[in-house]
Amino acid sequence: QVHLVQSGAEVKKPGASVKVSCKASGYTFSNYAMQWVRQAPGQRLEWMGWINAGNGDTRFSQKFQDRVTLTRDKSASTAYMELSSLRSEDTAVYYCARGIWVAGPLPYYFDFWGQGTLVTVSS
Amino acid sequence: DIQMTQSPSTLSASVGDRVTITCRASQSISSWLAWYQLKPGKAPKLLIYKASTLESGVPSRFSGSGSGTEFTLTISSLQPDDFATYYCQQYNSYPVGFGQGTKVEIK
Repeated sequence: QVHLVQSGAEVKKPGASVKVSCKASGYTFSNYAMQWVRQAPGQRLEWMGWINAGNGDTRFSQKFQDRVTLTRDKSASTAYMELSSLRSEDTAVYYCARGIWVAGPLPYYFDFWGQGTLVTVSS
Repeated sequence: DIQMTQSPSTLSASVGDRVTITCRASQSISSWLAWYQLKPGKAPKLLIYKASTLESGVPSRFSGSGSGTEFTLTISSLQPDDFATYYCQQYNSYPVGFGQGTKVEIK
């Protein structure tokens, strides 16, 4: 069955970067887009972007496009999300999720999720 | 951007109750709506997609309805495992957006 296993919790100082990994198993990694979603304390879920695991194409929310880098290693079936210039407001649980593409230009919904990675930004 | 608004924010209910959660979109999203269940420390779970299609393996007590701007998630008979927070998500257009969540608590 499909599993997405994320890397462990991180504590970072303001201005630093964080890189979260998401290892996929149970399906053909290259056939899907990996999405990244975060949830800050007391806030709603917030979509950050996706990477096409096959060809490496990416798309980002305008809010994050200047600070987030999405990459993948097909040989390791692993996707990565790196967020730079961290500030306290970036303290959140970060999720990877497998995206299901419906048709044409429509965005994705998410059928399998990782367990989440808590990133704490504190001086 | 399309704004998603859920109601209520919190719902207190007992095992066996019928529970309904509403999600409204600020403009029409056709039927491009999904529902998720979140529990602390666990991976979120997809319940419903395309407004009313039950994801494989999800109990039939969950159902979704609606189109355009108004949608509902119904749990026909609340079970102990259902106490969680529920989110709707629109995938009609970018950026993808979520509701603010509805926490279902034990009464």
